[in-house]
Amino acid sequence: AQTVTQSQPEMSVQEAETVTLSCTYDTSESDYYLFWYKQPPSRQMILVIRQEAYKQQNATENRFSVNFQKAAKSFSLKISDSQLGDAAMYFCAYRSAQGGSEKLVFGKGMKLTVNP
Amino acid sequence: GAGVSQTPSNKVTEKGKYVELRCDPISGHTALYWYRQSLGQGPEFLIYFQGTGAADDSGLPNDRFFAVRPEGSVSTLKIQRTERGDSAVYLCASSPYLNTEAFFGQGTRLTVV
Repeated sequence: AQTVTQSQPEMSVQEAETVTLSCTYDTSESDYYLFWYKQPPSRQMILVIRQEAYKQQNATENRFSVNFQKAAKSFSLKISDSQLGDAAMYFCAYRSAQGGSEKLVFGKGMKLTVNP
Repeated sequence: GAGVSQTPSNKVTEKGKYVELRCDPISGHTALYWYRQSLGQGPEFLIYFQGTGAADDSGLPNDRFFAVRPEGSVSTLKIQRTERGDSAVYLCASSPYLNTEAFFGQGTRLTVV
């Protein structure tokens, strides 16, 4: 079974600074997807960024980018120019690319605080 | 509606009672998912529907949990003989078809006292 580990339960960053959230995963599969989700106090999970394992190029979405290291099974999220609205729980998630598998496997999450 | 709607937002029930949690997916979305998020944890997969049928129910913890989606839109998660350990946020998500982004609702916080 696949597992996702987020070893840092909490982090803080100053507004306008850069922060990196770490995530490692374990799988025997070669093809899969990785995600970062944001969960504000409203409880709604919001997709931040997605990475396909077969793509060598790291995904980027505006201020958010990932460092995907397939051999090391590492998938970190970098948030540049942090904003107060970035404060939330962040979850790393894995999904198999094998046919018929649609479930997401989440890590325990990490609380990000943004200081003004 | 514009997004995934879950009702009720909060539910308090007594141990041993039966509860139903409702999910209205985004119109036209064929895939629907239920997850359970216990305090301090990430969401855990429960069940996934493609249309009216449960394509994967491997995450349901035991036979007290059951979910339906009779017309391929609204889904109901049913929990019988609730236990205090069932207390959690139950999240629903939908996607237009397979292998696309899943959009989550705001969840139902279930508290069993």
